[in-house]
Amino acid sequence: DADVTQTPRNRITKTGKRIMLECSQTKGHDRMYWYRQDPGLGLQLIYYSFDVKDINKGEISDGYSVSRQAQAKFSLSLESAIPNQTALYFCATSDLPGTGLDTQYFGPGTRLTVL
Amino acid sequence: EDKVVQSPLSLVVHEGDTVTLNCSYEVTNFRSLLWYKQEKKAPTFLFMLTSSGIEKKSGRLSSILDKKELFSILNITATQTGDSAVYLCAGNTGNQFYFGTGTSLTVIP
Repeated sequence: DADVTQTPRNRITKTGKRIMLECSQTKGHDRMYWYRQDPGLGLQLIYYSFDVKDINKGEISDGYSVSRQAQAKFSLSLESAIPNQTALYFCATSDLPGTGLDTQYFGPGTRLTVL
Repeated sequence: EDKVVQSPLSLVVHEGDTVTLNCSYEVTNFRSLLWYKQEKKAPTFLFMLTSSGIEKKSGRLSSILDKKELFSILNITATQTGDSAVYLCAGNTGNQFYFGTGTSLTVIP
């Protein structure tokens, strides 16, 4: 089974709709991240969380909100979707610095299209 | 402002060629430099570099970091069509990962 899972994998919605993307992990990591990826722009950080009570905005948080329901679950919401939020969204996890390999583990991605 | 810049943006080579991908970074509280390979799915980890001048190798791939000049290179020798992908580098502060836009590599048979 995959260590980091995302649902849904694909979603098409209309402008103005509220959308929730979900991420679950079995790696036991405290740190979780949401990124969006657009062609030519690389991975841009939306929000990150270091534990259930610690949530931080990334570089492009406007129009998004998150919820860390448990150590293993981190959800991303688009309160009122707009077409320029059409992108590929990745959830990632990482361990505490210095406890192991300082890398991120990515989910399979959610392709979101806003019409 | 923290940033990571990769070059070239794209590259097309023939099988058997050797390629060098570049990554320069300006990251406050820099901790490590990471390389990922992304095919049509999630990025997968290749290397983590923390010390200058120490080459990391995995098969035909190798990477090295220069912390004085703030850059890293990823070398791929004897390229194969399966190496076709986007290669991402990221600067890690321990709290955040700053990604470059990636280099798109296409290997032609």
